[in-house]
Amino acid sequence: VHLLESGGGLVQPGGSLRLSCAASGFTFRNYDMSWVRQAPGKGLEWVSVVSGSGGSTYYADSVRGRFTISRDNSKNTLYLQMNSLRAEDTAVYYCANRDGYNYAPDWGQGTLVTVSS
Amino acid sequence: QSVLTQPPSVSGAPGQRVTISCTGSSSNIGAGSDVHWYQQLPGTAPKLLIYRNSNRPSGVPDRFSGSKSGTSASLAITGLQAEDEADYYCQSYDISLSGSWVFGGGTKLTVL
Repeated sequence: VHLLESGGGLVQPGGSLRLSCAASGFTFRNYDMSWVRQAPGKGLEWVSVVSGSGGSTYYADSVRGRFTISRDNSKNTLYLQMNSLRAEDTAVYYCANRDGYNYAPDWGQGTLVTVSS
Repeated sequence: QSVLTQPPSVSGAPGQRVTISCTGSSSNIGAGSDVHWYQQLPGTAPKLLIYRNSNRPSGVPDRFSGSKSGTSASLAITGLQAEDEADYYCQSYDISLSGSWVFGGGTKLTVL
């Protein structure tokens, strides 16, 4: 299993960014996929999850209405569209697959998002 | 403030046994949700260490074990080794927060 995030970088407050996570080594469409973030020096925070079909999505209160999770099963790729970014969104963003028993067997290496003027 | 509560730090000498607690509530661990544990070595991504309370993925040494009771869970590490120095996170599912994983704040293990 390999998960590779990309798209992170420096963005100004109020700006937008789209993260991608390329998956391989497993049947992507059969797995729900999540984003988890980690602010510098802080713990893990769940951000969002999308079902295997893409038909169901859930968000943490801290990002609901600003972030949109999606996936393209034909490309084995997960996305996170982040709008109206705030300083407190600064973090390393990890993608992870989700087992049916609600844990993450596999994680990507993460991509850093820095929101600063 | 994390939904699950862990001690910020624990320490032990090589060869010793340490435990890390994870306390939840009636809407997550106490509701029957499983507890999972992750190890995060410095500068790396989290790695699954224990799943469904007490199961080890392939490749995880049997020095690591997990248990769950009531609204709490514990991770035990026996025969401490220098390479065990890392941050450890517990994770569960909260039935009051749709779709949501909840994490502990993390515990820094120092091998003396």
